[in-house]
Amino acid sequence: EPEVTQTPSHQVTQMGQEVILRCVPISNHLYFYWYRQILGQKVEFLVSFYNNEISEKSEIFDDQFSVERPDGSNFTLKIRSTKLEDSAMYFCASGQVYEQYFGPGTRLTVT
Amino acid sequence: AQTVTQSQPEMSVQEAETVTLSCTYDTSESDYYLFWYKQPPSRQMILVIRQEAYKQQNATENRFSVNFQKAAKSFSLKISDSQLGDAAMYFCAYRKRYGGATNKLIFGTGTLLAIQP
Repeated sequence: EPEVTQTPSHQVTQMGQEVILRCVPISNHLYFYWYRQILGQKVEFLVSFYNNEISEKSEIFDDQFSVERPDGSNFTLKIRSTKLEDSAMYFCASGQVYEQYFGPGTRLTVT
Repeated sequence: AQTVTQSQPEMSVQEAETVTLSCTYDTSESDYYLFWYKQPPSRQMILVIRQEAYKQQNATENRFSVNFQKAAKSFSLKISDSQLGDAAMYFCAYRKRYGGATNKLIFGTGTLLAIQP
């Protein structure tokens, strides 16, 4: 069964550094999403992406964040200058009409 | 704004018994979807079941079923014949239908389910 994959599984970075989190959505899906989950808190929406543009973004998704679908298969989330509070598990999801299917997540630790 | 509330942070059930996880939500929309996701210790969220708000019939997937009460804005998950592999964090989620598949999921805070052998 097709799955959403994410790399790396764990990323440690220093405050102020740029990070790129990578996702490979399920191949025939058209809608893509990023969510994050700070330890012990609920899963929060960051951004949705369709037809090569952002459809919706949350308040969290400020100018430090960007998304890209560079080659028709990968879907990336870039954080330009990481802050301590960006430490979280980041989940990519993809979907068609109804459900969203989640990847295993990337644990980002900002030191 | 839509909200999802799960009032049971933790629950425990004996193996082979039945457990019900509660979820309430608030929305002014009339058409939407509700979901239950399971997040095992490996952390990947897995879709358990989906309910369309316009359907009166409660969704069922094998041992998992829901009790959808639209007027009460309640959406509980019943797990029958609980198995050790059911141990996980369970999230209730809402997505409005109008606007299409780009709409975000709004999650509750989760219920951690333990299965006692």
